[in-house]
Amino acid sequence: AQSVTQLDSQVPVFEEAPVELRCNYSSSVSVYLFWYVQYPNQGLQLLLKYLSGSTLVKGINGFEAEFNKSQTSFHLRKPSVHISDTAEYFCAVVYRGSTLGRLYFGRGTQLTVWP
Amino acid sequence: EAGVTQFPSHSVIEKGQTVTLRCDPISGHDNLYWYRRVMGKEIKFLLHFVKESKQDESGMPNNRFLAERTGGTYSTLKVQPAELEDSGVYFCASSLGQLNTEAFFGQGTRLTVV
Repeated sequence: AQSVTQLDSQVPVFEEAPVELRCNYSSSVSVYLFWYVQYPNQGLQLLLKYLSGSTLVKGINGFEAEFNKSQTSFHLRKPSVHISDTAEYFCAVVYRGSTLGRLYFGRGTQLTVWP
Repeated sequence: EAGVTQFPSHSVIEKGQTVTLRCDPISGHDNLYWYRRVMGKEIKFLLHFVKESKQDESGMPNNRFLAERTGGTYSTLKVQPAELEDSGVYFCASSLGQLNTEAFFGQGTRLTVV
């Protein structure tokens, strides 16, 4: 069994401040790691993914995440946020060998950026 | 190219009624997935179609839920009879047939059972 823990349900920040959204996972087998974003009134959009290779992954809109195998973490970061980054962010894992649509999600982190 | 489309966007029904949700995947995508998010909880997998066949339906909560994908194109998810705990947002996603291809999600259908 595997689980995904997003440690913060709500993260309020001011515009242009840095942000880190935390994600830890537990799994007895190797996994792929994802961050999805849901903007208001829209569907889920892939932000970035880690399949293999460099543990630092860059995604869209200036976001990046680092896979840390020893800490079983995949935290999402952005050095300077904008109002438009206000959205709900979901961390997810997939068993290696499964299709990338077979996702196990965390509960989500609502990021609110204030002017 | 059109993305994954879900109908309706919102549905409010009374307990005991039947509701059918529809998902149109991206053209050419063999894989189709249904997910559900109950308020305050994580998004949970319901089932996975490969073309018209159910590959994995381990997440279906009970036999009040019936999913079909006739002809391997669009899919429907019927809830009959609906219960209060079925309320939530139902997401559909699709991906190409190859293993390491990204899944694209629709906007979801918000179902409220009153």
